[in-house]
Formats: sequence, structure tokens, C-alpha cells
Amino acid sequence: DTAVSQTPKYLVTQMGNDKSIKCEQNLGHDTMYWYKQDSKKFLKIMFSYNNKELIINETVPNRFSPKSPDKAHLNLHINSLELGDSAVYFCASGGGQISNGYTFGSGTRLTVV
Amino acid sequence: SQQGEEDPQALSIQEGENATMNCSYKTSINNLQWYRQNSGRGLVHLILIRSNEREKHSGRLRVTLDTSKKSSSLLITASRAADTASYFCATAAFSGSARQLTFGSGTQLTVLP
Repeated sequence: DTAVSQTPKYLVTQMGNDKSIKCEQNLGHDTMYWYKQDSKKFLKIMFSYNNKELIINETVPNRFSPKSPDKAHLNLHINSLELGDSAVYFCASGGGQISNGYTFGSGTRLTVV
Repeated sequence: SQQGEEDPQALSIQEGENATMNCSYKTSINNLQWYRQNSGRGLVHLILIRSNEREKHSGRLRVTLDTSKKSSSLLITASRAADTASYFCATAAFSGSARQLTFGSGTQLTVLP
């Protein structure tokens, strides 16, 4: 059973399009996150939701809009895609025993052409 | 801004040797965690050390934490080719009701057979 699953794994799209990435966790965690990893492997937090409530909203363009229909899901919608949005986007969840850290999804590689 | 800086950026060793990676951070933390990322995959949690701990072991992993110097090290003993991956430190602080992990820049470890 996949603990944190993201879809799609790969996404190639043209500039200006709108796309969504979905994330689901079956760990019963209260908190979910979106991270962006650039080409230099630098990981930066974008958003954090705790029990469907937005907790952390780092400085990202408002073209990025997270949506959490329930605490097991955190989707990421991106409007008007730009070349600079190309990156790998990781969903993660955390909760329960702090010693277990976060559980990450396998990532979505977004390429904007 | 990036919380953690890792050193070295890249490390290449022979199988059986020990690998040491260092991490420095800037602000007060609740705990520090180390993650491994294999190429094209998500991050996997390795070990967590709390701010009141100085050393922790898990199998072939040994982590130290010096809060006075705001630094941590990860030692992998008797390395194997399968240890080849990127290793990230991440510092945890609390923001409201959510924990927030801030990642370092990563060390790319290559273990040569």
C-alpha cells in the first residue's frame, strides 16, 4: 500500500495552461505539505495544511492554489503555467509519532514547454 | 531563505569506507532530521534527533547534534553501493499548529563498488 501517492508522476504541458497535481495519504496524518524541488535539488516548502486548514503559505505566486477537500487529500492547482514552474513537486504528510518524520510521495516532474 | 547548508555538496568513496556529511543551520530548532533521496524518487526519512539530544544511532547511521554550533553530522559506516543517493538534513520548527521542515541543500553521496 502506497502511503503518500501523487498523480501524475510526469506532466508535460505548454506555457499558459492550467494543471492540477493530486495527492492522497492513507496514514491518517493530520498535516500535509507541498514542496518544490528545483533542478539543483533545492527543496522549498510551498504550503502546509493541518486538518484541511491552511497553516503555511510561503511566498509563492497566487497562480498556485492548494485545495484540501479532506485531511487525506491535498491537491495543487497551477494556473497560467510558466517556464520557471518546471520542477519536481513533492507532497508529504506528517503526524503521529514525531520520530517518524515526514512521509513523502514519489514526486511529480512538471515540465513546461 | 535556506535554513540548512550541507557540506560537502558531493562525496565519492569506496565501498566499505565511512561517509560523513555535515549540516549547519541558522535558527532555533525543535529537532533535526536526515532524509535520503534516490535518483528520481521521493525522500525517505532516516533518523530524527531532538534538540536536547547530542547523539543518536540507527543501524549503520550515527547522527550528532551540536545546538551551540547549530550543526549536525551524519555518519554512514561501512558504506555500500546501495547507499548512493542524495542526503538532506531538515530542521523542524513549529509554526502555529503545524510543524515545518526546512531542508538543506543536500549532499550527493556516491559509493563506488
